[in-house]
Amino acid sequence: ETGVTQSPTHLIKTRGQQVTLRCSSQSGHNTVSWYQQALGQGPQFIFQYYREEENGRGNFPPRFSGLQFPNYSSELNVNALELDDSALYLCASSWGLGDYGYTFGSGTRLTVV
Amino acid sequence: KQEVTQIPAALSVPEGENLVLNCSFTDSAIYNLQWFRQDPGKGLTSLLLIQSSQREQTSGRLNASLDKSSGRSTLYIAASQPGDSATYLCAVVGAGSYQLTFGKGTKLSVIP
Repeated sequence: ETGVTQSPTHLIKTRGQQVTLRCSSQSGHNTVSWYQQALGQGPQFIFQYYREEENGRGNFPPRFSGLQFPNYSSELNVNALELDDSALYLCASSWGLGDYGYTFGSGTRLTVV
Repeated sequence: KQEVTQIPAALSVPEGENLVLNCSFTDSAIYNLQWFRQDPGKGLTSLLLIQSSQREQTSGRLNASLDKSSGRSTLYIAASQPGDSATYLCAVVGAGSYQLTFGKGTKLSVIP
């Protein structure tokens, strides 16, 4: 079975630009969650999608948005990038709502200059 | 609001030593607890998942315990190896929230 894949692996953007990050969930998984990890910190929950519907959101502003497609892959969009958005963005997938644990991808390193 | 704390923040041990990493959480109403490993600049690798009804899980040289009532979990690593060097993260799924709440991790260095 394939794991969680994220693209791109690295990205450099200018403040004020917009960015889209992509995630393909593990085969058989129908839930995707996104996390932001700043240097030296634990990952922070951004939002979760279950069967194409948003199913929970962390303390992030509306310029962070996302969607889930019928094949359960997902996108994270960030508008009006700020320097503090520089971080490792992690995607996690699961079957159902985390009862059987989460599988993470390798992440996208976003640098905003 | 669930908060997860991991102690110590960093740990350095000689190869072959057994060691324990600690994790505590403030709200005992959890679905499960998951231990992860993270290598520098990389994603998270799941090590062990403990359901709220379980007391411990084992995988190879790793053993994780859960005491839900006291809000504590430990990860025991036997006969440590240099390849075990990484940051270890503890995360809980709160009842009704479905999201993972993470600690800041313990950075482990195993010296040959």
